[in-house]
Amino acid sequence: DTEVTQTPKHLVMGMTNKKSLKCEQHMGHRAMYWYKQKAKKPPELMFVYSYEKLSINESVPSRFSPECPNSSLLNLHLHALQPEDSALYLCASSLQETYEQYFGPGTRLTVT
Amino acid sequence: DAKTTQPNSMESNEEEPVHLPCNHSTISGTDYIHWYRQLPSQGPEYVIHGLTSNVNNRMASLAIAEDRKSSTLILHRATLRDAAVYYCITSTNAGGTSYGKLTFGQGTILTVHP
Repeated sequence: DTEVTQTPKHLVMGMTNKKSLKCEQHMGHRAMYWYKQKAKKPPELMFVYSYEKLSINESVPSRFSPECPNSSLLNLHLHALQPEDSALYLCASSLQETYEQYFGPGTRLTVT
Repeated sequence: DAKTTQPNSMESNEEEPVHLPCNHSTISGTDYIHWYRQLPSQGPEYVIHGLTSNVNNRMASLAIAEDRKSSTLILHRATLRDAAVYYCITSTNAGGTSYGKLTFGQGTILTVHP
């Protein structure tokens, strides 16, 4: 299984809602990543988890809260988002940090 | 991480070779050079990476200049499925500790004509 899966594919949420994005891989990878991609822009790194511990936080606002409950699963909890947070949220994994990253198809988030 | 500069767009014909250039003049001696591509409506996909020597894999070749200030991704025979945004990225490997931080630049939009 060489796939990173992300659910849901699409999400529409209001500014007062709480929602979560889910990412899963079964490749035995120990590093997992969240990226944000606005339309026609390159992906921007948000968080890196290595061996289930937060390794990098790129100064992301606290309304985004990552969680890595086990080595196969990565969540991104969303609360009180703004319309400018609407974007494609990409999850990736790699064997360890610095190895090639495998990306999921992303969750298209719209904040109304 | 060193800043990379790539042409905004390039065009190619199907079954012809494509050379995608990347400048990274501020690269340090321990920075790796990575290439990823992103097909329409998909997440990025790893293509190849290298440090000093030229590298080949089933997808492409990476030619790295002797001074490492530039590199070229070579697709030997372009197909319509190669139409994508190609990102050249450098990453830091400092003090024996490797970092998983990839900083994507604007990339090159490759159009392949039938």
